[in-house]
Amino acid sequence: EAGVTQFPSHSVIEKGQTVTLRCDPISGHDNLYWYRRVMGKEIKFLLHFVKESKQDESGMPNNRFLAERTGGTYSTLKVQPAELEDSGVYFCASSQTGGNEQFFGPGTRLTVL
Amino acid sequence: GEDVEQSLFLSVREGDSSVINCTYTDSSSTYLYWYKQEPGAGLQLLTYIFSNMDMKQDQRLTVLLNKKDKHLSLRIADTQTGDSAIYFCAEPTYNQGGKLIFGQGTELSVKP
Repeated sequence: EAGVTQFPSHSVIEKGQTVTLRCDPISGHDNLYWYRRVMGKEIKFLLHFVKESKQDESGMPNNRFLAERTGGTYSTLKVQPAELEDSGVYFCASSQTGGNEQFFGPGTRLTVL
Repeated sequence: GEDVEQSLFLSVREGDSSVINCTYTDSSSTYLYWYKQEPGAGLQLLTYIFSNMDMKQDQRLTVLLNKKDKHLSLRIADTQTGDSAIYFCAEPTYNQGGKLIFGQGTELSVKP
């Protein structure tokens, strides 16, 4: 069974540009989470989808971040326009309904110059 | 709000025991988790402990939970170079399906 996949693995963009990150959860997992780790700090929750609905988006930093999960399968996280402080590793995780374990993808390392 | 704290670095010699510590604030968590991140890889669930347990042993791993002090520790016996990674403790904000609150991660360096 394939695990959680994320694309791209690395992205280097300039301040002001737009970047879209993609996450493909494990098939059949209704819960999808986005997290972010800024260099050397804790991994912080961004938001949680249940199928295509946003269950909790309390961690989204500001309105430059837009997450979607159309059709309840893969999800995208768009940053527009990107700022220097958006640099970090963005992790996606998925879990089954009622499941305790979240399965994480390898992350996307975003560098904003 | 919830908060999880860890020390940032730990260096040990191969064959020694490693102890990684974590403190948390939310006493209502049903589980507490340890995740491992190897270089270039995602987060892997290493082990977890139910909040009604004091200790859990799994091969070389021992998890100790002190609920009174809200202190969690992970002991790795006979530490190997392959154990070099970043270790995160995490607590869920509610029983199932909830977001995880992570510590800063402890970078374990194992020297031969």
